[in-house]
Amino acid sequence: SQKIEQNSEALNIQEGKTATLTCNYTNYSPAYLQWYRQDPGRGPVFLLLIRENEKEKRKERLKVTFDTTLKQSLFHITASQPADSATYLCALDGGSQGNLIFGKGTKLSVKP
Amino acid sequence: KAGVTQTPRYLIKTRGQQVTLSCSPISGHRSVSWYQQTPGQGLQFLFEYFSETQRNKGNFPGRFSGRQFSNSRSEMNVSTLELGDSALYLCASSSNRGRSYEQYFGPGTRLTVT
Repeated sequence: SQKIEQNSEALNIQEGKTATLTCNYTNYSPAYLQWYRQDPGRGPVFLLLIRENEKEKRKERLKVTFDTTLKQSLFHITASQPADSATYLCALDGGSQGNLIFGKGTKLSVKP
Repeated sequence: KAGVTQTPRYLIKTRGQQVTLSCSPISGHRSVSWYQQTPGQGLQFLFEYFSETQRNKGNFPGRFSGRQFSNSRSEMNVSTLELGDSALYLCASSSNRGRSYEQYFGPGTRLTVT
């Protein structure tokens, strides 16, 4: 069955450093991959979408890569700030039906 | 534009009861999806509605049902509540169906079953 894994439940980094979060998937070939941010007590917020034929996508301090050979996506936040502290979720398209399948998330903590 | 709204925000119910949750999507959005979020399982897809029709369903028992109205507002119902149904229920809307569309989530309804 389809499986999505986000590399770690928690990641602690120092302010100013680059945070790198990993999303791996198996038994699956998604055409699209999305990243969301979720703050405590709130719903996820869409950040970026990348297509299978795109290697990389950027938005301000965010960068996402999509390697269909490795079945992996990397999510980078450069010059991280304490305000970036949140849980980050990767989501893959569930095939032609269109629903999203979410990973369990990585909780990022950026220390000043 | 106003965001996705969900009511109520918090709910406490007793095992065996039923509950109805409501979701109002962003104006103009026709697709509404529902998710259950728990610490152990993460975000799990319940179902999607588009143009008042259920288009897709996740792996949940028949106690979980939903509907969508002509104005795109949606409700989900859980009958015969179990302790394990305690979770954050999230509604998300998107402008159209399909895997290339990002979803806009509401704040969720925190359901506690005692």
